[in-house]
Amino acid sequence: QKEVEQNSGPLSVPEGAIASLNCTYSDRGSQSFFWYRQYSGKSPELIMSIYSNGDKEDGRFTAQLNKASQYVSLLIRDSQPSDSATYLCAVISNNNDMRFGAGTRLTVKP
Amino acid sequence: GAVVSQHPSRVICKSGTSVKIECRSLDFQATTMFWYRQFPKKSLMLMATSNEGSKATYEQGVEKDKFLINHASLTLSTLTVTSAHPEDSSFYICSAIRGYGGYTFGSGTRLTVV
Repeated sequence: QKEVEQNSGPLSVPEGAIASLNCTYSDRGSQSFFWYRQYSGKSPELIMSIYSNGDKEDGRFTAQLNKASQYVSLLIRDSQPSDSATYLCAVISNNNDMRFGAGTRLTVKP
Repeated sequence: GAVVSQHPSRVICKSGTSVKIECRSLDFQATTMFWYRQFPKKSLMLMATSNEGSKATYEQGVEKDKFLINHASLTLSTLTVTSAHPEDSSFYICSAIRGYGGYTFGSGTRLTVV
């Protein structure tokens, strides 16, 4: 079983729609969760971090965490073409290292 | 903000040669750095955890003799790909833990072995 799993997509949404990205993780002891955006050929850039169950909102982005279900998601409201990228779910394990999911490729069509 | 500088950004080398990649934390001390490798359209795979003043911890399947990691100071970790082969061509990215636990990534190094 992979430590961090994501639907690889591709996920395509029209401009202005809500994009929903999902992630599950296997290490129940994980405490820190992140969503990164990565453009082709570039390093990941942090979008959101979440540590507690529930929702965390930052602008058009909302991260949701459910530790009981070992599930974390990212919602992007009012999607823009510039949001088109690969979104990586990352989890910090008990070893304090960061593990990544395979990434979901998002395309926002004008 | 915390900055991690990674150099070089792009390197092309001949098969059989060695390549060194540097990762520097510019405005903070990083006792722990991580090295990742990313193949095209794939996710970042953790290769090793680099700890200042001690040996690196390698992930299963990563050859420690091929990917030499040195973390001699609190601001510098290096990854040396020894006797590089075309299958080592990849995007290598380092990251460092900041004091409050946040992670900062370097800009990555595109290695092409011909």
